[in-house]
Amino acid sequence: SQQGEEDPQALSIQEGENATMNCSYKTSINNLQWYRQNSGRGLVHLILIRSNEREKHSGRLRVTLDTSKKSSSLLITASRAADTASYFCAAMDSNYQLIWGAGTKLIIKP
Amino acid sequence: GEEVAQTPKHLVRGEGQKAKLYCAPIKGHSYVFWYQQVLKNEFKFLISFQNENVFDETGMPKERFSAKCLPNSPCSLEIQATKLEDSAVYFCASSPSGLAGGRYEQYFGPGTRLTVT
Repeated sequence: SQQGEEDPQALSIQEGENATMNCSYKTSINNLQWYRQNSGRGLVHLILIRSNEREKHSGRLRVTLDTSKKSSSLLITASRAADTASYFCAAMDSNYQLIWGAGTKLIIKP
Repeated sequence: GEEVAQTPKHLVRGEGQKAKLYCAPIKGHSYVFWYQQVLKNEFKFLISFQNENVFDETGMPKERFSAKCLPNSPCSLEIQATKLEDSAVYFCASSPSGLAGGRYEQYFGPGTRLTVT
């Protein structure tokens, strides 16, 4: 069953602004991953952060992980219209199973 | 191939009928995963394979769901006697050298939308 939580559920910002999404989980993890899903399509892997890492960058993406609080955040800087999508976090537990958040729907207004 | 392929794109079945979904993982990937997505959220893990062997099937409703990954064939997910609540998008994903190799990212197919009427 779903064990991850994400907030906000939906986020609408102007193009060029930064977007921050948060994710919390309940179990011990091996790593935490963020995925993007465009409407009606499959998921695209964005970034993975291992349990012994605190922060990771990839292009305009910045992910943080706080294992003491069992939480992670995804920051998208200088947002673009093409960033409009749903974003999911997935925590990989010790059984290598991904535990998914419910997703954040991000809308970038031109 | 370089992408995970899933067929069919859409599948409509009357309640009680059988549904079979197919997935061709990326060539060279050792792990295959099946997920169910209901109402555009709530990804539910169903089953995973390491090559043709079941790796983790803790998410499978065993009474009606079954899955296989046979050599030189697409993987399949079969639902016997479908129910209305089986209506969802079913995603397949594959993963490279695998968990032992520390490659944890998953590559997803476009999904199969199953509608049970």
